Amino acid sequence: AQKVTQAQTEISVVEKEDVTLDCVYETRDTTYYLFWYKQPPSGELVFLIRRNSFDEQNEISGRYSWNFQKSTSSFNFTITASQVVDSAVYFCALSEMRRDDKIIFGKGTRLHILP
Amino acid sequence: SAVISQKPSRDICQRGTSLTIQCQVDSQVTMMFWYRQQPGQSLTLIATANQGSEATYESGFVIDKFPISRPNLTFSTLTVSNLSPEDSSIYLCSALRDGGRYEQYFGPGTRLTVT
Repeated sequence: AQKVTQAQTEISVVEKEDVTLDCVYETRDTTYYLFWYKQPPSGELVFLIRRNSFDEQNEISGRYSWNFQKSTSSFNFTITASQVVDSAVYFCALSEMRRDDKIIFGKGTRLHILP
Repeated sequence: SAVISQKPSRDICQRGTSLTIQCQVDSQVTMMFWYRQQPGQSLTLIATANQGSEATYESGFVIDKFPISRPNLTFSTLTVSNLSPEDSSIYLCSALRDGGRYEQYFGPGTRLTVT
């Protein structure tokens, strides 16, 4: 069965600190996609990244970076030099490549960036 | 990216009534979905809205309770029937565009409160 675990339910850091959000997943499939979404207080879900299981290269996009490690089934997300606007709930998610419509979401990590 | 709008953005309904939520995408998309996000919880897929045929429901969701329509490639409705307080949730529409990147975009959500 597929499962996504975000062990950190809530994190608070002071602005400009770096913060890493952990994500561990379980799947019996050898091919799958991993996602991160951001849900700000407005409620809308914002797509951040999608990685496929073939590509373990880490990715950087501005202040955001993602560390995908198949050996530990982890797909962690780091925000560098955090800003107050980064305050949101962040969801890690997984879908099977053979059925990439069904996305299994983790429970989310609520991130507070304190000024 | 696809722009998705939902109506209404929020509603308060009485027990036993029904609410129909509309989802409009600004361009043709291959797939549309409906998710539920219960208070403080993660997102759960309700069903895939299929154009011109019956929706495909996930385990635990049935057509009688959550009838779905998708008359064309840009529009879908979800009805939550015979409302009870347990149906109080955010309902999100999402769309998947087959453009090679398979990014699943989400609407702003409809916040339903049942009294």
